[in-house]
Amino acid sequence: NAGVTQTPKFQVLKTGQSMTLQCAQDMNHNSMYWYRQDPGMGLRLIYYSASEGTTDKGEVPNGYNVSRLNKREFSLRLESAAPSQTSVYFCAGGRGDYEQYFGPGTRLTVT
Amino acid sequence: EDQVTQSPEALRLQEGESSSLNCSYTVSGLRGLFWYRQDPGKGPEFLFTLYSAGEEKEKERLKATLTKKESFLHITAPKPEDSATYLCAVNTGNQFYFGTGTSLTVIP
Repeated sequence: NAGVTQTPKFQVLKTGQSMTLQCAQDMNHNSMYWYRQDPGMGLRLIYYSASEGTTDKGEVPNGYNVSRLNKREFSLRLESAAPSQTSVYFCAGGRGDYEQYFGPGTRLTVT
Repeated sequence: EDQVTQSPEALRLQEGESSSLNCSYTVSGLRGLFWYRQDPGKGPEFLFTLYSAGEEKEKERLKATLTKKESFLHITAPKPEDSATYLCAVNTGNQFYFGTGTSLTVIP
């Protein structure tokens, strides 16, 4: 039982490149979330998916797209990376209003 | 505007020296308040959920309490392994908002 897994663990991109961050959960959660964590800013919600087939914007969605591929998988795409997107990205799974369970994170640097 | 503020930013305690961390919130409809622990280089780990004022939860040396404006995480007789960043989050129904955390260091 792996919980929430994320790939890759580390990534370096050049400005303008694109990439997709992958997230999978085996906890049978309906809801999945993408956050970014920056020093002094705390965790900020980028996008979430309340159930398979639905996605909604969070606090900081600009520059990102998401896909809820199935109940287990929720991916985050950066179409044209910018230095301001340098951050640590966390995926989480949960059940609506209840607690969330986080993955180990992806450390992304955009140069 | 929905807001979550944690204090202090950093706290150093001697082993066995009890203290409290504060999480104050201003939200337009609290659906739940959550405490997480985060170790360096790792994802947040769930500790407690509180739903209504007056509610309390305990786990080992940690006790979380909730009022209408704030929550406290009380740490009794902490040990070095309690050193971590403690995060508070609130759920308003559509969004989860996190505070910036309290970095706790427990010195042997």
